[in-house]
Formats: sequence, structure tokens, C-alpha cells
Amino acid sequence: QKEVEQDPGPLSVPEGAIVSLNCTYSNSAFQYFMWYRQYSRKGPELLMYTYSSGNKEDGRFTAQVDKSSKYISLFIRDSQPSDSATYLCAMWGGGAGSYQLTFGKGTKLSVIP
Amino acid sequence: SAVISQKPSRDICQRGTSLTIQCQVDSQVTMMFWYRQQPGQSLTLIATANQGSEATYESGFVIDKFPISRPNLTFSTLTVSNMSPEDSSIYLCSAGGGNQPQHFGDGTRLSIL
Repeated sequence: QKEVEQDPGPLSVPEGAIVSLNCTYSNSAFQYFMWYRQYSRKGPELLMYTYSSGNKEDGRFTAQVDKSSKYISLFIRDSQPSDSATYLCAMWGGGAGSYQLTFGKGTKLSVIP
Repeated sequence: SAVISQKPSRDICQRGTSLTIQCQVDSQVTMMFWYRQQPGQSLTLIATANQGSEATYESGFVIDKFPISRPNLTFSTLTVSNMSPEDSSIYLCSAGGGNQPQHFGDGTRLSIL
């Protein structure tokens, strides 16, 4: 079992739809959770950064972390064609000495006008 | 958040040659990281570059093949040595770590003929 599982998609939705992106993980030591957006031929861009369980909202984006289920989600409301990109989840345990992020494989999203 | 610039953005190199990739951050950062990303795949950490000390390499990556310099708190280089077609990939620099999220540059797209 991989440490972080993420459905690679592709996921195609109509403009205006609510998008749900998810990752599951196996390492209970993970405490910091991130979502990155990566456009073609660009580097990953940080979207959301959360610590421990709970919800965080930023505009049309909401990140949820459920540590009891080892499950994280990113919701995109009122999706736009400009949201078409690959979304990567990443996580880190928080311990000193190693700052390696563990990434999911990424989900490719297309928002159709 | 830190702005990260990488040079070159892309290159095509001959087998057996070496290429040095530069990464510049617009503010002082403690940790810098080098990743490799195969097309359509997630990110794999090559090494962590600390100012004033040797880089820390992940399993499967060695200093002779990927020497790293970190002369100050805003700059790092990664050299890909004695290149072969298997080294064709996207190489990404990031900065941050610890309680600060990592931010990425746009990467260097490297093709080996």
C-alpha cells in the first residue's frame, strides 16, 4: 500500500460545478497537509496548507482533513475553466530532521465551458 | 510567500555531458529542496540543500551524480552529471520546509539525446 493514494483521473466537469478531490494516506504521523495546483509546464503552486484535522476555506476553495479516517479533500466551488490543472496533495509528519513531503500522484481536472 | 526562479527553463543536452541548474529565491530561506518529476508523475525528492553543510540525499540519489551547492540563504545549484537518456525529466527547486510550506519554481525541462 502506497503512503498516499490519489485518483489520477482525469476528471472532467462542466463550468460552475462543485469539484471534490481526495487523498487517502496510511501514515498516522502526518500532521501538515497541502494542496498544490500545477498547470502544464509550470511548477506546483500552493493552494491550501492546513495543520491537523479540520476545515480551511479560501475563496472558492475548501480543504478538509479527517485524521481519524486518514482522508483529506479539496472542494472547488463554482469551478472555472481556469481551474483546469493537475491537483497534487502533499503531507508531512512535522518531525525535526526531515522535511520531505510525501505527494500523491495528482488528479488531472478539466473544467469544460 | 517566496518567489523562486529557476534557470534554464529547458535544455537539450548530449549524452555524457553535465548541466547545472540554478535556483534563486527572493528572500532568505533555511531549507531548499531539489525534486525530479517525470511527465505525468508525482514529485520525487532528490536532496535537501542546507546552507553551510553538505546536502542530504534521498535513497537512490548520490552526490557524484547530483552534486548540489548552497552558498548562501537565497541560492542553490543542482548539477546533473554524466547525463544519460534516463535523466530526461523535469527538475524542480523548492524553498520552505518546517512549519513553512514549500513553494516551487517552474522547473527545468531536461532532454538528453
